[in-house]
Amino acid sequence: QSVLTQPPSVSGAPGQRVTISCTGSSFNIGAGYDVHWYQQLPGTAPKLLIYGTRNRPSGVPDRFSGSKSGTSASLAITGLQSEDEADYYCQSYDSSLSAHVVFGGGTKLTVL
Amino acid sequence: QVQLVESGGGVVQPGRSLRLSCTASGFTFSSHGMHWVRQAPGKGLEWVAFISYDGGHKYFADSVKGRFTISRDNSKNTLYLQVNSLRAEDTAVYYCAKDTGRFLEWLSYFDYWGQGTLVTVSS
Repeated sequence: QSVLTQPPSVSGAPGQRVTISCTGSSFNIGAGYDVHWYQQLPGTAPKLLIYGTRNRPSGVPDRFSGSKSGTSASLAITGLQSEDEADYYCQSYDSSLSAHVVFGGGTKLTVL
Repeated sequence: QVQLVESGGGVVQPGRSLRLSCTASGFTFSSHGMHWVRQAPGKGLEWVAFISYDGGHKYFADSVKGRFTISRDNSKNTLYLQVNSLRAEDTAVYYCAKDTGRFLEWLSYFDYWGQGTLVTVSS
């Protein structure tokens, strides 16, 4: 059971917009801590996609965007492309845990 | 460019030990905290351990506390994970990942990842 909750799967057709939610608590997202997102293409290592809740590293298309409200965060992908098919993970900081680093369980995005 | 290369994985019997290594290049290794993150087959990411830039601060997930040790040699740009008393549930790809800062803090995240090394615990 992950501290951050994500839907196991989402899907969308090419060109569509999809969102992936990441729900936490008052000890992590709700406490104001940043949320970060990682993309893991099949058979590869995770890659940083969004940092500081809404910032994109150099090279990440602006089709990817992040936001946060209350105890939840979201990753939005617009203009869906086949190469976006991957697993997506959110990550944050949790003040209630001795180790602090928490991940969501991951969401599999399928491009129909 | 930043590169992280893990090694040391393999097949090991339950109860045995392994030492994983992560060799870094392309950035000032001694200025950054480093993490180990693992991923069991078909499962999600699980944070394992963190070590501060100078090795003075270490944190572990409850699932590995007391069995795993993290260390670093800044003169060799290398991060280590000593994994002891291995269990079947430790079977996973182990990734090293670079933190953007020196310490584990509220804005910590992983800006670069290695390709991972597979540890399989089986009799």
